[in-house]
Amino acid sequence: GQNIDQPTEMTATEGAIVQINCTYQTSGFNGLFWYQQHAGEAPTFLSYNVLDGLEEKGRFSSFLSRSKGYSYLLLKELQMKDSASYLCAVSHGSGNTGKLIFGQGTTLQVKP
Amino acid sequence: DGGITQSPKYLFRKEGQNVTLSCEQNLNHDAMYWYRQDPGQGLRLIYYSQIVNDFQKGDIAEGYSVSREKKESFPLTVTSAQKNPTAFYLCASSMGGELFFGEGSRLTVL
Repeated sequence: GQNIDQPTEMTATEGAIVQINCTYQTSGFNGLFWYQQHAGEAPTFLSYNVLDGLEEKGRFSSFLSRSKGYSYLLLKELQMKDSASYLCAVSHGSGNTGKLIFGQGTTLQVKP
Repeated sequence: DGGITQSPKYLFRKEGQNVTLSCEQNLNHDAMYWYRQDPGQGLRLIYYSQIVNDFQKGDIAEGYSVSREKKESFPLTVTSAQKNPTAFYLCASSMGGELFFGEGSRLTVL
């Protein structure tokens, strides 16, 4: 079957670093996405990995290991506004990379 | 500004009624999608369309219907056959890369 696992909840302190892990088992792989979603709002794109390694974008970085079916999102210098759900999603099958399988999301709470 | 517009933002429906959620995009994207989000669960794909006048079922298409008569529009009808329609519905579009989402429509069945 197809499965994406990520922790349900995490808590971290303002100014700290937090790593959100995601493991996946899918038929086919066209890339892995991370989205941020604030409560009641639409998801917004954070990162995309299709090759192994680390992609850095400001305070956010995302890592991918295709052989291990593993990714993580790293958030540095946490701010209160980073409190949100973080969705891991895998593009699978042929062609259409918009057809994604989503994990359940990790709700991150940043405390002062 | 380019983007995706969903309406209505909130909708209440009585059991047995069909309702249609609107999704319009001016990003000139070929592909459009409908996802459903329930508390504690990930987004699940209902229907998607890669080109005008063509669409495919996603993982949870039962009780839903769509049309794609124009490139800009991809409305979703939640029919009375959908057993548990209360959810947050998200429309998205893409050009083969990242998904761009609308603001969502929250449907509540009374």
